[in-house]
Amino acid sequence: AQSVTQPDIHITVSEGASLELRCNYSYGATPYLFWYVQSPGQGLQLLLKYFSGDTLVQGIKGFEAEFKRSQSSFNLRKPSVHWSDAAEYFCAVGAKGTYKYIFGTGTRLKVLA
Amino acid sequence: DAGVIQSPRHEVTEMGQEVTLRCKPISGHNSLFWYRQTMMRGLELLIYFNNNVPIDDSGMPEDRFSAKMPNASFSTLKIQPSEPRDSAVYFCASSPGPNTQYFGPGTRLTVL
Repeated sequence: AQSVTQPDIHITVSEGASLELRCNYSYGATPYLFWYVQSPGQGLQLLLKYFSGDTLVQGIKGFEAEFKRSQSSFNLRKPSVHWSDAAEYFCAVGAKGTYKYIFGTGTRLKVLA
Repeated sequence: DAGVIQSPRHEVTEMGQEVTLRCKPISGHNSLFWYRQTMMRGLELLIYFNNNVPIDDSGMPEDRFSAKMPNASFSTLKIQPSEPRDSAVYFCASSPGPNTQYFGPGTRLTVL
């Protein structure tokens, strides 16, 4: 079955600390992977995406993610979190040329001052 | 660029009433998507249009839901009659091509 798992529903970190949000997927075809961020009352904004090539991808707002095929993972990282990063983060997977994504259930990030 | 525009941002209605949600995609985008987000089910794709034509409506939960795209700059999602279990945030997204979607701010629907 095709699925995306974000095992952490909530994560709390202190401002300035590093962050890693986990994403594991199960997908039959070559996966195209995405991370979106949703701030309160807003729509989803694309942070970064991986299609092929270098398995470490850089995104907006200082985020990066690493694709590990052997672990079926696409974890999101940031070396130093800012209070404005508090939001909900969604991992998604799709196939090349697809319009249909499978979204994870999201991880809500809280940042302590 | 104004981004994807949705209206209204909030809608409160009573069970049995008709609800119409509206979306204006980004100019030049040829694909449009309607999603529903709930705590229980997460983000679900309801329907996908390409060049104003519905391509996949397999996610539409039941016949009470209908969607139209009369032209490239406007789409509606209608629920008739509405039920409390339809309460959710409804997102519209548009895309210039595959593997790229831009989301609107959403409409929070509450059915009493």
